[in-house]
Amino acid sequence: EAQVTQNPRYLITVTGKKLTVTCSQNMNHEYMSWYRQDPGLGLRQIYYSMNVEVTDKGDVPEGYKVSRKEKRNFPLILESPSPNQTSLYFCASSFDWAGGVYNEQFFGPGTRLTVL
Amino acid sequence: TQLLEQSPQFLSIQEGENLTVYCNSSSVFSSLQWYRQEPGEGPVLLVTVVTGGEVKKLKRLTFQFGDARKDSSLHITAAQPGDTGLYLCAGVNLQGGSEKLVFGKGTKLTVNP
Repeated sequence: EAQVTQNPRYLITVTGKKLTVTCSQNMNHEYMSWYRQDPGLGLRQIYYSMNVEVTDKGDVPEGYKVSRKEKRNFPLILESPSPNQTSLYFCASSFDWAGGVYNEQFFGPGTRLTVL
Repeated sequence: TQLLEQSPQFLSIQEGENLTVYCNSSSVFSSLQWYRQEPGEGPVLLVTVVTGGEVKKLKRLTFQFGDARKDSSLHITAAQPGDTGLYLCAGVNLQGGSEKLVFGKGTKLTVNP
């Protein structure tokens, strides 16, 4: 089954304790992205990757890191989480991005993170 | 400043009613997508519109892209409880200097039986 998986689905942690949220897709997609979704603010892009070893900042990259060593995986790293990073996080992937027309983005099920 | 403004923010209607939600911007978009998100899940693509004036239909859902490619609408005919969800529009901005996909804040639709 074609899908984007994220782990963990739920995480409660404390300020300053490094964490990684994994994202994996089995569709051989080149484009992957991380979003956070907050009430009243909608979906905001954190980082995206056009291909292996190619990553770029989205709209709200502060406090986050990503890596794209393999095509299928795009982990999101919070080196020192803070309470303002409490949010619902989504990973997404798409086959390609060509000339301003995005192909369908497939979203993972989400990771609900609480930082105390 | 929100690049894509969606209205209304919330909508609660009875089963069988028709409704329209809007996605507006002062900027031109090369394409617009509509997604539906159900509680506890990620957004799922409904449609992509590319050409100004384009109209696409998906069963009871009709999507329209404005002639100037600055706005889009989603019309649902005879809404059903299964249509309940958060409807998001997303677009690639041509005038922003960087071609990123941006999302509106969404319209939360509740269809009561």
